[in-house]
Amino acid sequence: DVKVTQSSRYLVKRTGEKVFLECVQDMDHENMFWYRQDPGLGLRLIYFSYDVKMKEKGDIPEGYSVSREKKERFSLILESASTNQTSMYLCASSLWQGGTEAFFGQGTRLTVV
Amino acid sequence: KQEVTQIPAALSVPEGENLVLNCSFTDSAIYNLQWFRQDPGKGLTSLLLIQSSQREQTSGRLNASLDKSSGRSTLYIAASQPGDSATYLCAVRPLPNTGNQFYFGTGTSLTVIP
Repeated sequence: DVKVTQSSRYLVKRTGEKVFLECVQDMDHENMFWYRQDPGLGLRLIYFSYDVKMKEKGDIPEGYSVSREKKERFSLILESASTNQTSMYLCASSLWQGGTEAFFGQGTRLTVV
Repeated sequence: KQEVTQIPAALSVPEGENLVLNCSFTDSAIYNLQWFRQDPGKGLTSLLLIQSSQREQTSGRLNASLDKSSGRSTLYIAASQPGDSATYLCAVRPLPNTGNQFYFGTGTSLTVIP
C-alpha cells in the first residue's frame, strides 16, 4: 500500500520559532510537493521538488524554504514562524510521468501563537 | 494560469439520492484530472484518476467523466450514504513544459442526511 507520511498531525509553535515539517514517501516518486490549505482559498502550492536537491517555488513561497537531501524525504522549513502561517499543511508525491496520480499525506495542522 | 472551479460549494442531500458534483477548468491542455475526498482535519484520499484521452472512470458507486474540450468534469455518486459526507476536490495536472504542479478547486462539501 502506497504511503506518504507526515511527521506530525498537530503542532503548536511560538512566533519567531524555526519550524520543520517532515514528509516521507515509500513509493520511489520523483516529485514531491508542499501545499497549504486555508478555508476559502483551497490548496496553494508552496514548493515542489522533482529530484534530490532540486526545488522550484510554487505560488506562495515567501517565508518558507525546503530541503530534499534524499529522494524519499521532503522537508518544509518555516524560517521564522508567524501567526499568518497557521494553516493545514499537506505533502504529496507523484511519479515524474504526467499521467500518474498524486498521493497525499494525512496533513499537519500547524498553529502559531 | 489554470483556474479550477467547483460548484456548488456545499450540497446537502437525503440518503439514497444520486448526485453530481461539478468541476470546471480554464485550460484544456491537461495530462489528467483527479478526484479526491477529504474528511475534516485529514489529508486527501484519491478516488479516481482520468487521463486526458479518457472519457470516464468508474470505481464502485463513483463515476467520473471528463470533457476536456469544454473544460468540465463531473463526479457522479450513486445511492449516497451518510459515510459519503466529506469534501470532494478535483485537481488537474497540466501538460509538460507548462508546469509540474496540480491545480485544485476549492471543493464541494457534501452532507448526506440519514
